[in-house]
Amino acid sequence: KAGVTQTPRYLIKTRGQQVTLSCSPISGHRSVSWYQQTPGQGLQFLFEYFSETQRNKGNFPGRFSGRQFSNSRSEMNVSTLELGDSALYLCASSLGGERDYGYTFGSGTRLTVV
Amino acid sequence: GNSVTQMEGPVTLSEEAFLTINCTYTATGYPSLFWYVQYPGEGLQLLLKATKADDKGSNKGFEATYRKETTSFHLEKGSVQVSDSAVYFCALSRGSARQLTFGSGTQLTVLP
Repeated sequence: KAGVTQTPRYLIKTRGQQVTLSCSPISGHRSVSWYQQTPGQGLQFLFEYFSETQRNKGNFPGRFSGRQFSNSRSEMNVSTLELGDSALYLCASSLGGERDYGYTFGSGTRLTVV
Repeated sequence: GNSVTQMEGPVTLSEEAFLTINCTYTATGYPSLFWYVQYPGEGLQLLLKATKADDKGSNKGFEATYRKETTSFHLEKGSVQVSDSAVYFCALSRGSARQLTFGSGTQLTVLP
């Protein structure tokens, strides 16, 4: 079956712009989580969506936002980009049940802010 | 809060050597524990997991045992291959907090 698909794979944006990243989960998965990966901070949790509702949120500024559609596809948006937002953004999907820990990750979107 | 501490890398081994990557955690209650692997240019792949104390997770020759008394989940493999070269991440998830807390990752290079 198809895995988690993230688009685009690479992005270059200018400081101050905004960006939207997309994640299509595995068919049947209702939970989508987003993570930021940087050399300095490692892997950090951004937020999780389940059935179109944000269920959990990490410690990131309000410039980082997300949403989930009825088909479980998710987007995250970063406004007013800063150089420090350059990172690999990973999304993970799962069934989303209480004891479900079967997270499957996508290959990520590499964002470079110049 | 929750945290995961991994042994610092990079780790360089010869093919067929024994591998241990140490991982300890801090969390209240009984977290679930994971090892993920990341190959160059790719996302994370779940290698193995354990959801309660004394559970042993295993996959592709890798093993890790959930030790509650020492709050550890060390990754081991008896004989590494060049294809095992990657970055390995230890992680935990606790209760209804549906997020993974990751360690800093350990770069493994296996030489032929």
